[in-house]
Amino acid sequence: NAGVTQTPKFRVLKTGQSMTLLCAQDMNHEYMYWYRQDPGMGLRLIHYSVGEGTTAKGEVPDGYNVSRLKKQNFLLGLESAAPSQTSVYFCASMKTGTAQYFGPGTRLTVL
Amino acid sequence: GESVGLHLPTLSVQEGDNSIINCAYSNSASDYFIWYKQESGKGPQFIIDIRSNMDKRQGQRVTVLLNKTVKHLSLQIAATQPGDSAVYFCAVVYAGGTSYGKLTFGQGTILTVHP
Repeated sequence: NAGVTQTPKFRVLKTGQSMTLLCAQDMNHEYMYWYRQDPGMGLRLIHYSVGEGTTAKGEVPDGYNVSRLKKQNFLLGLESAAPSQTSVYFCASMKTGTAQYFGPGTRLTVL
Repeated sequence: GESVGLHLPTLSVQEGDNSIINCAYSNSASDYFIWYKQESGKGPQFIIDIRSNMDKRQGQRVTVLLNKTVKHLSLQIAATQPGDSAVYFCAVVYAGGTSYGKLTFGQGTILTVHP
């Protein structure tokens, strides 16, 4: 099993550009999550999904959208990137009653 | 609300020593506890977990202890190796809160192992 994978690993955007981060998991987990990690802030939940076709807002959802069209994939979109969205983004997945398993991260810089 | 904190932000040990990393939580209804390891430039990696009906659980070179009376969690690493150098943080799940497995994270302890 590859576990949780994320693409791309790195990305540089200009302010106002858009992009989509892809998360894929091959563990047949129901739950999927998107976090951002900033120095001194720890992991903060952006959006999550409890199953295919469902999404919900986390702690810091503004400026992001998500979609879960397939159980194994969870997409995070930035419609109009801002410098405040410079961060490392982690995806995670979970089976009911177990721990969340994280991907390797995407390092995003918005200029 | 829930808060999770770590007593020691940094810990330096010699190779071969045992390491103990601590975590305090505030919500007595928390029922699932997880330790993660995060190496520089990588995602958090699951180490070990424990449920509230247990007070000790062992893995390979790691032991988690849970003291619900004082709301304290610790991670013990035996015979610490340089490869154990990383940030360690605890995460807590409060079963009575949400239905989506919300994790409340501690801020992390930096473990440095000197050869």
